[in-house]
Amino acid sequence: AQTVTQSQPEMSVQEAETVTLSCTYDTSESNYYLFWYKQPPSRQMILVIRQEAYKQQNATENRFSVNFQKAAKSFSLKISDSQLGDTAMYFCAFMKGYNAGNNRKLIWGLGTSLAVNP
Amino acid sequence: DGGITQSPKYLFRKEGQNVTLSCEQNLNHDAMYWYRQDPGQGLRLIYYSQIVNDFQKGDIAEGYSVSREKKESFPLTVTSAQKNPTAFYLCASSPLGSGGASTQYFGPGTRLTVL
Repeated sequence: AQTVTQSQPEMSVQEAETVTLSCTYDTSESNYYLFWYKQPPSRQMILVIRQEAYKQQNATENRFSVNFQKAAKSFSLKISDSQLGDTAMYFCAFMKGYNAGNNRKLIWGLGTSLAVNP
Repeated sequence: DGGITQSPKYLFRKEGQNVTLSCEQNLNHDAMYWYRQDPGQGLRLIYYSQIVNDFQKGDIAEGYSVSREKKESFPLTVTSAQKNPTAFYLCASSPLGSGGASTQYFGPGTRLTVL
C-alpha cells in the first residue's frame, strides 16, 4: 500500500524568504503522480503543483517549485519570496498512474501548517 | 464561471437526523469524490463515482450514502448511523482522460456540526 509522510507538522518563515516543505512517499509503482495542495484559513483546497513521475524535470508554477527525487521517493515543495497569503496548510498527495484497474484515488499526507510572518 | 459548488456552507444536525450535502460541478468532469476532514488528520475518502449511476465506497463509507443520477451532481447523505459526523466535508471532481493524471479540483466545503 502506498503511504505519504510529511514530517514537519508546523513551519514558519519570514515574508520574502524561501521555505521548503518535505514529503516522502512509499510505493512499488513506477508510474504515478504527485501533488501539492494548499488549504488556507478559508479551508478551500487549492492545487499548487503537480509532478508526473516519468518526467525528470521538476515542475514549477511561479514562486512554487518541487524537488522530485524519484530514487529517494522524495517530493519537497519550495516556496520562494514567501507572501502573507501563502499562510496555509500544505498537503502532499500521491496517485497511481493510469491503467484499467486503478481507481485514481489520492493518498494524502497529514499536512504541514505554514505560517508566513511579516 | 466554471467550478464546484457545495451547499450549505454550514449545517447543523440534531442527533438521529439524516442530512444531505450538495455538490455540483459545471466542469464536465466524469469523476466526483467526497472527503471528510477532521482536525489533525488528512483527508479521508468517503465515496467516489467515475460515471453516472455508479459509485464505489472509499475508506470510511459506513454511515454515509450517495447518488449519481446526473453527471454534474453528487449529493452525500449523512445518516443517523454515522456515529461521529461532526467534520468538514469536501467534494472534488476530476476529468478521467486515459493516460494522464486525474487532477482533483475541490469545492469550498461544508462544515457539519451535530448538536
